[in-house]
Amino acid sequence: EPEVTQTPSHQVTQMGQEVILRCVPISNHLYFYWYRQILGQKVEFLVSFYNNEISEKSEIFDDQFSVERPDGSNFTLKIRSTKLEDSAMYFCASKSDSNQPQHFGDGTRLSIL
Amino acid sequence: KNEVEQSPQNLTAQEGEFITINCSYSVGISALHWLQQHPGGGIVSLFMLSSGKKKHGRLIATINIQEKHSSLHITASHPRDSAVYICAVVSNFGNEKLTFGTGTRLTIIP
Repeated sequence: EPEVTQTPSHQVTQMGQEVILRCVPISNHLYFYWYRQILGQKVEFLVSFYNNEISEKSEIFDDQFSVERPDGSNFTLKIRSTKLEDSAMYFCASKSDSNQPQHFGDGTRLSIL
Repeated sequence: KNEVEQSPQNLTAQEGEFITINCSYSVGISALHWLQQHPGGGIVSLFMLSSGKKKHGRLIATINIQEKHSSLHITASHPRDSAVYICAVVSNFGNEKLTFGTGTRLTIIP
């Protein structure tokens, strides 16, 4: 069965550094999402992406965050200057069409030192 | 107030018991997901439903749109069912992002 794959599984970065989290959604999917989960808290929506542009973003998704789909297969989340509070598990999800379920990757655990 | 509330937060049961996890929501939705999160952190979609009932193996999910309530049932529970079960709703508005509940940590004791 096709899967959403995320790399790396764990990223350790110094505060203030840029980090790029990578996702390969399922190949025929058109809708893409990033979520995050701070340790011990619920999963929160960051951003949705459709038709090569951001379709919705949350208050968390400030100017330090950006997303890209550079080559038609990868979907990346960039954090420009990481802060301690960016430490979390980041999940990528994709779906094929409206009213279809989202499929999740295994997540990237981001640790900011 | 959270838009999605789950109960209980933690549930410990003996192997073989019938399990019920509840979810209530306060917003208009187009669909509701039940998700499973294992200790490693990965999330697996169990069900997406917008009305009635769905069954997959020992798992059953029901939703009552008028009452804004959904339940996840596990029959003949097994230690491998131990995980966090998360309810998430798809809003009527916007781009079908998921709004998550806080999850129910289920532990099944052999």
